[in-house]
Amino acid sequence: EVQLLESGGGLVQPGGSLRLSCAASGFTFSSYVMSWVRQAPGKGLEWVSTISENGDNTYYTDSVKGRFTISRDNWSSTLSLQMNSLRGEDTAIYYCAKPERQWEQLCSFDFWGQGTLVTVSS
Amino acid sequence: DIVMTQSPDSLAVSLGERATINCKSSRSVLYSSDSKNYLAWYQQKSGQPPKLLISWASTRESGVPDRFSGSGSGTDFTLTISSLQAEDVAVYFCQQYYTTPLTFGQGTKVEVK
Repeated sequence: EVQLLESGGGLVQPGGSLRLSCAASGFTFSSYVMSWVRQAPGKGLEWVSTISENGDNTYYTDSVKGRFTISRDNWSSTLSLQMNSLRGEDTAIYYCAKPERQWEQLCSFDFWGQGTLVTVSS
Repeated sequence: DIVMTQSPDSLAVSLGERATINCKSSRSVLYSSDSKNYLAWYQQKSGQPPKLLISWASTRESGVPDRFSGSGSGTDFTLTISSLQAEDVAVYFCQQYYTTPLTFGQGTKVEVK
């Protein structure tokens, strides 16, 4: 059974940092591109970042470039998102998302974690 | 970026009646090399993560009831719930995966009338 378990969210002041993690199980983690998608309270879904299977290639939405860093550890099947210089508009539930097909970046997401809430406020 | 626009923002449908949600992309998501539309539909119930219902615009995921169907091509797509059930109350999102950044529609809230 595929499981994605996010952790690391919380309350942080503007300008602060947080590191999110996603523990994956039930599939061959190293064969899948992985992504983070966020959802501001009561709002829609926004793709944040994607990382290739071996971690060599990373992609970010413009609003987080230079502030967020996505990484992965295929030995421990863990996806991470280091978030620096946080802003109020980063407040959201952050979901770890698995694509439907191996080796595919352009893909729908067939499994999502339960999400972890990040609140940026003073 | 490809902008995805859904309509309506919300709709209320009687139990057993049809619900229709539209999704329009700012440019075509039909890939000429494989003739596939890179378009997915998700259902999100309150307090839960999104659930994939349909990929490739019309391919229903395993376990998704057949009252859910997707149609359309190019820039215009539709999600139809043929006979609304109480458990279908949710927000529905379309998503293009034709190119990065991957983008979603703003969501359509479906309620029971």
